[in-house]
Amino acid sequence: DAGVIQSPRHEVTEMGQEVTLRCKPISGHNSLFWYRQTMMRGLELLIYFNNNVPIDDSGMPEDRFSAKMPNASFSTLKIQPSEPRDSAVYFCASSLTGAGSPLHFGNGTRLTVT
Amino acid sequence: ILNVEQSPQSLHVQEGDSTNFTCSFPSSNFYALHWYRWETAKSPEALFVMTLNGDEKKKGRISATLNTKEGYSYLYIKGSQPEDSATYLCACSDMKTSYDKVIFGPGTSLSVIP
Repeated sequence: DAGVIQSPRHEVTEMGQEVTLRCKPISGHNSLFWYRQTMMRGLELLIYFNNNVPIDDSGMPEDRFSAKMPNASFSTLKIQPSEPRDSAVYFCASSLTGAGSPLHFGNGTRLTVT
Repeated sequence: ILNVEQSPQSLHVQEGDSTNFTCSFPSSNFYALHWYRWETAKSPEALFVMTLNGDEKKKGRISATLNTKEGYSYLYIKGSQPEDSATYLCACSDMKTSYDKVIFGPGTSLSVIP
């Protein structure tokens, strides 16, 4: 089992550019979560999916953020346009059955917006 | 809004000491409580998931208890070792917000001094 795979590991972009972060969950897992880690707010839940359907996106900071899960093996988090305050580490995690089972985290994407 | 609190914020112990930290959460509508270990430059790794009041889990020298009626969980480390140095996160979900909305606390940073 390769675990949760995120790409890219690092992303440096200029303000105003579009950024797309990618995640491949563990095969067979039904839930997928996107978190953002910052010094000020710790691990913030942005959005989560159950069976590819977005359930709660109330943590998405602004309309500039969007997430999709077109199938069970792939999800994207897009920021358009990006701003310096979006700089953070973005984690994707998957679990077998939502909150009743442990979350398995990817290695994260470190985003720097200059 | 589900608010998860952890104390203390940080802790320094001598090798061989036993220690414990606290996670507090709203007791009403509780669904699940998670503990994770997060080493620097790595991703959070699940330790325990607990759902029942009075639940106790153990993994090696680490154990956890859960009191859903009063809204707290304790994580215990027996005979701390330098390799136990990490941030310990708890996370919670409730049935009112959404079963699978896993919200993390700010973490307790543990340093074990050789």
